[in-house]
Amino acid sequence: AQSVTQPDIHITVSEGASLELRCNYSYGATPYLFWYVQSPGQGLQLLLKYFSGDTLVQGIKGFEAEFKRSQSSFNLRKPSVHWSDAAEYFCAATGGGNKLTFGTGTQLKVEL
Amino acid sequence: NAGVTQTPKFQVLKTGQSMTLQCAQDMNHNSMYWYRQDPGMGLRLIYYSASEGTTDKGEVPNGYNVSRLNKREFSLRLESAAPSQTSVYFCASSGSSGRRDEQFFGPGTRLTVL
Repeated sequence: AQSVTQPDIHITVSEGASLELRCNYSYGATPYLFWYVQSPGQGLQLLLKYFSGDTLVQGIKGFEAEFKRSQSSFNLRKPSVHWSDAAEYFCAATGGGNKLTFGTGTQLKVEL
Repeated sequence: NAGVTQTPKFQVLKTGQSMTLQCAQDMNHNSMYWYRQDPGMGLRLIYYSASEGTTDKGEVPNGYNVSRLNKREFSLRLESAAPSQTSVYFCASSGSSGRRDEQFFGPGTRLTVL
């Protein structure tokens, strides 16, 4: 079955530190991959997406993600975290059509 | 340009009551979706509409019905609410049913069924 796994439920980092959020997928072929962010009480906002080509994808708010086919991973990174980055982050994938499969999310806490 | 709007923002129901969640988008998108979000489970697709006049079941359709009223509006109905339907419901839309298209999300409806 197609699935998206985010192994970390909660992550805490200090402001200014680097961040990496993990995402693994299980699909028959390379899916299209997305990272969304959800601030408290808000809907989801797209950070970045990967379809093909360059495996390092740049997104909004200084985020980037790297697609690694050999590891079935699409990890989200940011070199220096800001307090406003505290939110829940969702990895999602679609293998065909428009049905997105979401991971269970990673809650990011930023310590000042 | 409001994007995707949802009403109501909050709702409390008693078991067995019915209600309709409303969703509208002003981006001229063809495809619309309803998700539910539960703690530790991410978002799960309930129903979607690839284009006006069509609807299809998603991962968790039981207990729900949908209506694609027109291109702008996509409603979700709970005919007889159950406590298991306590959740946050999100509506989303995308330009087409192609998988390249970003889905834009509304702010959500927080539903509690007692």
